[in-house]
Amino acid sequence: QLQLQESGPGLVKPSETLSLTCTVSGGSITTFSYYWGWVRQSPGKELEWIGSLYFTGSTYYNPSLKSRVTMSVDKSKNQFSLNLTSVTAADTAFFYCARHRLTDWYFDLWGRGTLVTVSS
Amino acid sequence: EIVLTQSPGILSLSPGERATLSCRTSQSVTSNQLAWYQQRPGQAPRLLVHGASTRATGIPDRFSGSGSGTDFRLTISRLEPEDFAVYYCQHYGGSALLTFGGGAKVEIK
Repeated sequence: QLQLQESGPGLVKPSETLSLTCTVSGGSITTFSYYWGWVRQSPGKELEWIGSLYFTGSTYYNPSLKSRVTMSVDKSKNQFSLNLTSVTAADTAFFYCARHRLTDWYFDLWGRGTLVTVSS
Repeated sequence: EIVLTQSPGILSLSPGERATLSCRTSQSVTSNQLAWYQQRPGQAPRLLVHGASTRATGIPDRFSGSGSGTDFRLTISRLEPEDFAVYYCQHYGGSALLTFGGGAKVEIK
């Protein structure tokens, strides 16, 4: 069945760029029915939507993060990626990749998540 | 932006009891575009309910969602040991903006 797996550095220095990749296995990222998204959760805190991406490259970002976020897709590798620039300690969080439908944006499939710590 | 307020923040109950969680939205939600998730410690969230009242695939029928407008509820009819977790509501309406509630923890009394 379809699975999502996040990967990337677990430690990023302040002011640098956080880069994560989500690999889609058991299915194609080029499905017409779904968007692919990122959600983060600071330890002990609530969930925060970062942004969503369609396989064509069309993106939607959370306005609160829009100036620092870029999402992209690599169809040849069945992956999509997240870049978050100018990170601070406040960006320390678990990052989840997830899938939602084209028309109803609830997340029906999640990766297991990866912890990224921002520290020098 | 629609703000979602969940209450109570913590619910202390015993296995077998009924749990009712509330999610109030700052504006009326069109088309009942509200979802509920369960998050167990150390795990990713899991979709329970979408469209305010439609159970997701594989979710036991002891979970039920209800409500409309600005007031929504998730009810767990009889708590099983694995149901003690944190629950989040999420609005997915227009304007391509997704927002989550602050979460509600169901803990063992």
